[in-house]
Amino acid sequence: DAGVTQSPTHLIKTRGQQVTLRCSPKSGHDTVSWYQQALGQGPQFIFQYYEEEERQRGNFPDRFSGHQFPNYSSELNVNALLLGDSALYLCASRTRGETDTQYFGPGTRLTVL
Amino acid sequence: AQSVTQLGSHVSVSEGALVLLRCNYSSSVPPYLFWYVQYPNQGLQLLLKYTSAATLVKGINGFEAEFKKSETSFHLTKPSAHMSDAAEYFCAVSAHQAGTALIFGKGTTLSVSS
Repeated sequence: DAGVTQSPTHLIKTRGQQVTLRCSPKSGHDTVSWYQQALGQGPQFIFQYYEEEERQRGNFPDRFSGHQFPNYSSELNVNALLLGDSALYLCASRTRGETDTQYFGPGTRLTVL
Repeated sequence: AQSVTQLGSHVSVSEGALVLLRCNYSSSVPPYLFWYVQYPNQGLQLLLKYTSAATLVKGINGFEAEFKKSETSFHLTKPSAHMSDAAEYFCAVSAHQAGTALIFGKGTTLSVSS
């Protein structure tokens, strides 16, 4: 049973560029959340998707957007990259209706130069 | 609104010693509480969770935590540390309802010396 997978593992971009990160949820899960983890900090919630719509959003600017596909996989898009966007981006999945456990992927390390 | 405070950004213990990682939470509604562990260059792995059942929760790898409402605490303990326990530990809270995000503390780095 595959867990949450994310791609790519690492990514290097320059300021002003755009980036797309991808996530496949654990088998049987229909809800995907994205978190940003800056170096030395705890993860911060970006947004959550289910039924292909954004359902909840954290305190992140509109430069951060997402999408969920019919197969429940998800993308995180970040436009106009800033140096401060450098972080580990974590995807988590769960089954809607189960209020607790979220399963995390290994993350994508984004470096903005 | 929910928040989490982890007391001590770095805890050092000797192998075989008691591990105690502190977490205090704030929540306006009944909370769900979690401890996650993160090894270098990896994602988060769930250690244990409190979801309003038993207040003493047992998790993987010999860890346990006790929910104390009066103290708004959810401290993580392990009787005997192992070298493999060295990692970053995060406490998290979510509201007691479907679809709510996890709010994480800043983390505690556990070092284990031989």
